[in-house]
Amino acid sequence: DVQLVESGGGLVKPGGSLRLSCAASGFTFSNYYMNWVRQAPGKGLEWVSSISITSSYIYYADSVKGRFAISRDNAKTSLYLQMNSLRAEDTAVYYCARALVGTAYPYYHYMDVWGKGITVTVSS
Amino acid sequence: SYELTQPPSVSVSPGQTARITCSGDALSKRFAYWYQQKPGQAPVLVIYNDNERPSGIPERFSGSSSGTTVTLTVSGVQAEDEADYYCQSTDSSGSYQVFGGGTKLTVL
Repeated sequence: DVQLVESGGGLVKPGGSLRLSCAASGFTFSNYYMNWVRQAPGKGLEWVSSISITSSYIYYADSVKGRFAISRDNAKTSLYLQMNSLRAEDTAVYYCARALVGTAYPYYHYMDVWGKGITVTVSS
Repeated sequence: SYELTQPPSVSVSPGQTARITCSGDALSKRFAYWYQQKPGQAPVLVIYNDNERPSGIPERFSGSSSGTTVTLTVSGVQAEDEADYYCQSTDSSGSYQVFGGGTKLTVL
């Protein structure tokens, strides 16, 4: 079965750091772009970051740029999100999502497989 | 920054047709995607590339596009379709992903 399993969430104080991991299985991880998407309590989905197959292309939402870092290890079939300088507004469920991406016209980028999510709470 | 606009809520009776719209300037040049999210669950892709349906998604789900507005149509709505629905697309640079604010579909 195709599966994504997030880990590493928890409670952290404002200004602290946390590293999320996403373990992929059931598909050839190194063939896919990957994303992190988050959802604050009672709010909608917010795209956080994307990483290309070889990590050559990395993008961040303005809300996390300079504080978060996405990375991947294709040998370990794992995706990571290093979160620094955490703020209360970063409190959310964080989802790891596989993406199908077309980089030539007609461009496309959508998420066809999602993990169950992991909760991050930033509070003193 | 690029935005996608959805109505906060749509209500229909069972068996009726629900239409959820999503508007954004880049939608005339970019594909749109739709996700269904039920309480406490991860999102599920229900429409990709404006109007394609992934395997396993019921035929009652369909998508269409006209100019800067895309529409998710659920025909013959069933109680199990009650959920939040989000549109998603890419900005004009192709680098950043954007979600609409979400629409709560209520089956009366």
